[in-house]
Amino acid sequence: DTGVSQNPRHKITKRGQNVTFRCDPISEHNRLYWYRQTLGQGPEFLTYFQNEAQLEKSRLLSDRFSAERPKGSFSTLEIQRTEQGDSAMYLCASSLIDRNNGYTFGSGTRLTVV
Amino acid sequence: QKEVEQDPGPLSVPEGAIVSLNCTYSNSAFQYFMWYRQYSRKGPELLMYTYSSGNKEDGRFTAQVDKSSKYISLFIRDSQPSDSATYLCAMSARSGNQFYFGTGTSLTVIP
Repeated sequence: DTGVSQNPRHKITKRGQNVTFRCDPISEHNRLYWYRQTLGQGPEFLTYFQNEAQLEKSRLLSDRFSAERPKGSFSTLEIQRTEQGDSAMYLCASSLIDRNNGYTFGSGTRLTVV
Repeated sequence: QKEVEQDPGPLSVPEGAIVSLNCTYSNSAFQYFMWYRQYSRKGPELLMYTYSSGNKEDGRFTAQVDKSSKYISLFIRDSQPSDSATYLCAMSARSGNQFYFGTGTSLTVIP
């Protein structure tokens, strides 16, 4: 078990382009979360999945954002028509249902929109 | 008002000192509390997870929760330079649901 894996580690894109990030959770974890973190701030919740079902979405997740978790394994987060305000660290975390042991985070994908 | 308030610091202490980090919150429904450590440009690493009120100890780390005051603390004994990082508190009303994070406190332990 190598923990939660996120790719790419860094992404620089031009404003208006679409980007997609991937998260591979710990294999036995059935819950998967996406958070966004800007400089000097704590992570902010975006959305989470239980298996393949997307159960909750934050109002931060505008129409330009979409997340999927096909087959309940890896997940992708896509941002369409990127804006400079989307520049942030995008963090993925996973956990087991009904296990009171918190999340395990990945190292994140740092997005810079220029 | 933010759900979770945390003094961003920075906090600078000499090696071997006892460090006290704190968060306050406004939502009385919170009952799951976590402390994370985050090194620069890395993802947060879980340090402590506690449920409801009380103390929990793990090595040099002690987490305290006072739900009556809506106040949580993390104590680090015998602090080491390797403890230099940003410490984030997080909390939730229900297990496994979204957690609300503080802004993080930046700690530097000076050798």
